[in-house]
Amino acid sequence: DAGITQSPRHKVTETGTPVTLRCHQTENHRYMYWYRQDPGHGLRLIHYSYGVKDTDKGEVSDGYSVSRSKTEDFLLTLESATSSQTSVYFCAISVGSSYNEQFFGPGTRLTVL
Amino acid sequence: DAKTTQPTSMDCAEGRAANLPCNHSTISGNEYVYWYRQIHSQGPQYIIHGLKNNETNEMASLIITEDRKSSTLILPHATLRDTAVYYCIVSGAGSYQLTFGKGTKLSVIP
Repeated sequence: DAGITQSPRHKVTETGTPVTLRCHQTENHRYMYWYRQDPGHGLRLIHYSYGVKDTDKGEVSDGYSVSRSKTEDFLLTLESATSSQTSVYFCAISVGSSYNEQFFGPGTRLTVL
Repeated sequence: DAKTTQPTSMDCAEGRAANLPCNHSTISGNEYVYWYRQIHSQGPQYIIHGLKNNETNEMASLIITEDRKSSTLILPHATLRDTAVYYCIVSGAGSYQLTFGKGTKLSVIP
C-alpha cells in the first residue's frame, strides 16, 4: 500500500511568517499533489508535480510555491502566510492506472492568526 | 471538466444497499466517472472509476447509464463505517485535476 506522511499535522502561525508543509511518500510514485479544503469549497488543487523539479499550478496557486528535489518529497511553501490560508492541506499521489486514482495523506491543519 | 450534480444528503439502514446517484449530463466521450469518499476529518479515499461499462471492486459497484449522463455508486451492504461524504467527479483521462464538489453526505443508520 502507498504510504504518505504529512508534517506537521497541526500548525498555528502568525500572519506574515513563512510556512513550509512537507509531504513524504514511501514509494516512487511520479505524480504528487497539494490540495486545500475549506468549508463551502470542497477540495481545491493548489499545485501538482509530475516528476523531480517538474511542477505546475492548480486552481488556487496564488500565494503558494512548491518544490520537489527528490521523488519522495513534495514541499508546499507559504512565503508570507495570510489568514485566508487557514485551511486543511492534503497531499496526494497518483497510484493507479490513471492520474486521477489518487491516494491522500492524513492532512495538515494550518491556522494563521 | 464536466460538472456533476449529487443529492446533498441520504440515509441508509445498516446492512442495506446504499445507492448514491450522480448526474453528469455534459460528460464528454473521453471523460471518466470517479467516486471518492471522505470520512470525517480524514483525507479522501478513492473508491472506483469507470468510462462506460459497469465496474465492481471490493468496495463498491459503479453503474453508468448507456447515454453516460448519470451513474450510481452502490455499496452493497452498508455499515456504520460507510458514513461519509461521497464525491462523484468527472475528469478526462489526461487531466491531472480532480474537481471536488460538495458531494453527498451519506448517513448509515443502525
